[in-house]
Amino acid sequence: EVQLLESGGGLVQPGGSLRLSCAASGFTFSRYTLSWVRQAPGKRLEWVSAMSGSGGSTFYAYSVRGRFTISRDNSKNTLYLQMNSLRAEDTGVYYCAREERAWFDPWGQGTLVTVSS
Amino acid sequence: EIVLTQSPATLSLSPGERATLSCRASQNVSSYLGWYQKKRGQAPRLLIYDTSNRATGIPARFSGSGSGTDFTLTISSLEPEDFAVYYCQQRSNWPPTFGQGTKLEIK
Repeated sequence: EVQLLESGGGLVQPGGSLRLSCAASGFTFSRYTLSWVRQAPGKRLEWVSAMSGSGGSTFYAYSVRGRFTISRDNSKNTLYLQMNSLRAEDTGVYYCAREERAWFDPWGQGTLVTVSS
Repeated sequence: EIVLTQSPATLSLSPGERATLSCRASQNVSSYLGWYQKKRGQAPRLLIYDTSNRATGIPARFSGSGSGTDFTLTISSLEPEDFAVYYCQQRSNWPPTFGQGTKLEIK
């Protein structure tokens, strides 16, 4: 069974940093592009970042470019999102998702990030 | 970026009834439109991809149609487990974007 499990969320002050992890199992990790998608309270889902299976290509939403860094360790079947210079508008649930036929399938359960003083 | 607008915001129906959810794109997305179901506290689940293809394990009561800018998700006969929030998503243009969601609630 394909599973994705996020961790690393929590409460952080504005301007602070946080690193999210997504542990994968049940599939050949290195063959798939993986993405981070977030949802702020009461808002629509927002794609944040993606990384190709080899790690050679990365993509970012304009809203996080220069502040967030996506990475992966294929030996550990884990995807990461390093989030720096956090803002209140970065608050939300962060999901990792595998890209299957360029669609997000499946998704993890999500980890909550709260940016507040 | 492409903006997706879903309607209605809330749909109140009873089990056994037919549900019709709409998604309109601000630009032509060809057939690159998908639908996700999200229940409270759970991960989103892909239902339909490329307008009309059911994802693995999705029951036949879920179907999708449309092209260009107007798309529809139809649930032919609602089961109790279908009451959730539904999101459309386009992958025609970067970045991928989502609609604001339709909440399907029990009447």
